[in-house]
Amino acid sequence: GESVGLHLPTLSVQEGDNSIINCAYSNSASDYFIWYKQESGKGPQFIIDIRSNMDKRQGQRVTVLLNKTVKHLSLQIAATQPGDSAVYFCAENKNPGANNLFFGTGTRLTVIP
Amino acid sequence: GAGVSQTPSNKVTEKGKYVELRCDPISGHTALYWYRQSLGQGPEFLIYFQGTGAADDSGLPNDRFFAVRPEGSVSTLKIQRTERGDSAVYLCASKPQGAGYGYTFGSGTRLTVV
Repeated sequence: GESVGLHLPTLSVQEGDNSIINCAYSNSASDYFIWYKQESGKGPQFIIDIRSNMDKRQGQRVTVLLNKTVKHLSLQIAATQPGDSAVYFCAENKNPGANNLFFGTGTRLTVIP
Repeated sequence: GAGVSQTPSNKVTEKGKYVELRCDPISGHTALYWYRQSLGQGPEFLIYFQGTGAADDSGLPNDRFFAVRPEGSVSTLKIQRTERGDSAVYLCASKPQGAGYGYTFGSGTRLTVV
């Protein structure tokens, strides 16, 4: 399953399938991007990050892809599990050198058993 | 403790009242952040502390909002003359010095102004 973030804020996938969550970021000067997972009633939890000098980074079951040409970021989750159901946010440091992050609206991922 | 602790977890207050929200960061974390998250939105930056001082308060929406961190550990976010539009989840995060953006969030305080 695939989402385009702001235009499709919900994504439903079958357990075991791969998920792709997309994010369009706004500032070409941003040099650091993070994906967070937020479960109901909890704070955002760090998943994976990537710097602007990279175009791909892999973690455990997750891969982040960065396309600076079109200012697009995606999070791929392999073999999606029920525990992956949450809202996923991309965040960027619009002001490199500052310490704050700008978060997108988020995409709700629902895994169907 | 093991994580960032925020109290209370829920706060209901009447319009016009004053509220204080508390954050206990992870022990030893020098950097502390406050974010605000409205329903269906991503967190929005409010203020950042490095040690005891507010290094960046550019996200505070107006002068009704103020935060302190007097001993470089616990922080309190203070909101005066609360308005219904202040209703949101207020998130605190902390990180060690030099850890980039890899900060750890607490579970937040849900503030409801009625």
